[in-house]
Amino acid sequence: GQQLNQSPQSMFIQEGEDVSMNCTSSSIFNTWLWYKQDPGEGPVLLIALYKAGELTSNGRLTAQFGITRKDSFLNISASIPSDVGIYFCAGQPDLITSGTYKYIFGTGTRLKVLA
Amino acid sequence: NAGVTQTPKFQVLKTGQSMTLQCAQDMNHEYMSWYRQDPGMGLRLIHYSVGAGITDQGEVPNGYNVSRSTTEDFPLRLLSAAPSQTSVYFCASSYSHPRQGGYQETQYFGPGTRLLVL
Repeated sequence: GQQLNQSPQSMFIQEGEDVSMNCTSSSIFNTWLWYKQDPGEGPVLLIALYKAGELTSNGRLTAQFGITRKDSFLNISASIPSDVGIYFCAGQPDLITSGTYKYIFGTGTRLKVLA
Repeated sequence: NAGVTQTPKFQVLKTGQSMTLQCAQDMNHEYMSWYRQDPGMGLRLIHYSVGAGITDQGEVPNGYNVSRSTTEDFPLRLLSAAPSQTSVYFCASSYSHPRQGGYQETQYFGPGTRLLVL
């Protein structure tokens, strides 16, 4: 099945550094969602994006809906140890161009923060 | 609100056994979904429901059945468990809002059920 290309797959960073990750697709999406998943837990919604070009923040997290509607970016500023986890993007395709409205998920970015 | 709840948290089955994974939400969301999560892969949609009495297949529906008799509940049934169904199963519920040319959903996940099939 179709999946989003999410990168990087994993990253080690020093505490205090900024982090960037992104998701890209060959299809147009109407909605982008960003989740964080801690070990043994379900994904927790961080940010929802509904319009091309939209830039939304949630504390130290900022996400953007790409102008082309085929990509999205998540930035974490001044990382702290509790940022450790797996970050997933999810895109809802455009029904008219894709023939489906069901969410597609990226494979995740595993973030490790070194104190 | 409890949000999305799932039971059980853990389950071990023998090949051929059947069982039902429970999912409930108290947010009055119209849409509910079941996903499975396997190592190195993103979440894959098993079944989907847009309202009571309406279900649809997702990407990997084989070996699973669902029903949606109420808005709140969306159980997932494994008919005859196989080792390939060892996975972590997540239920999600969504609210939708209209946009030009369609609608947009915002999904919330439950804590998951970890299933091992021997």
